[in-house]
Amino acid sequence: GAVVSQHPSRVICKSGTSVKIECRSLDFQATTMFWYRQFPKQSLMLMATSNEGSKATYEQGVEKDKFLINHASLTLSTLTVTSAHPEDSSFYICSARDRAREQYFGPGTRLTVT
Amino acid sequence: AQKVTQAQTEISVVEKEDVTLDCVYETRDTTYYLFWYKQPPSGELVFLIRRNSFDEQNEISGRYSWNFQKSTSSFNFTITASQVVDSAVYFCALGRNNAGNMLTFGGGTRLMVKP
Repeated sequence: GAVVSQHPSRVICKSGTSVKIECRSLDFQATTMFWYRQFPKQSLMLMATSNEGSKATYEQGVEKDKFLINHASLTLSTLTVTSAHPEDSSFYICSARDRAREQYFGPGTRLTVT
Repeated sequence: AQKVTQAQTEISVVEKEDVTLDCVYETRDTTYYLFWYKQPPSGELVFLIRRNSFDEQNEISGRYSWNFQKSTSSFNFTITASQVVDSAVYFCALGRNNAGNMLTFGGGTRLMVKP
């Protein structure tokens, strides 16, 4: 079956630094990837839609300059949290859509900003 | 606007009890997809089922069953003879037009199955 990986699975960084999270579709090409954020004991909220070769579409209230998304290839999208602060600590989950328009979720990345 | 409501935030049952998790959705789309996911403590979402708006047949998979009622905009999930391993957070989600679109998730129901 289709597999989506995320790297790293966990990351701890200091306030003010930037962190990059990778989302890869391992055995299929994904023209579209989605980035979700989940705060503790809360639901998943869509942050942005990432399309290969074009700019990401951000949901209302998500700062595009803070959460940089790059979908440079059909198998890789990256989310960079710039100048991270403790309030950015969250669980970040990506999903990837294949050509059959099926969607597969990655295992998530737990970010802790100290 | 899309909305998914899971009114039960937490449910606690004793092993072997049956339990139903409720899901009510709102959408103006005529074509849509409904999903259930399980999220164990590890955080990874485990896909359980997908149902499109044209298919109102109920489904059974082992101890799991789903009841899709378009008339009441509900897509409830029942676990029969619950087990401790069923303890997790369960999310109901709604997708527009096709299964590959971004999802609107409900708030989740935390299920605790006690031995």
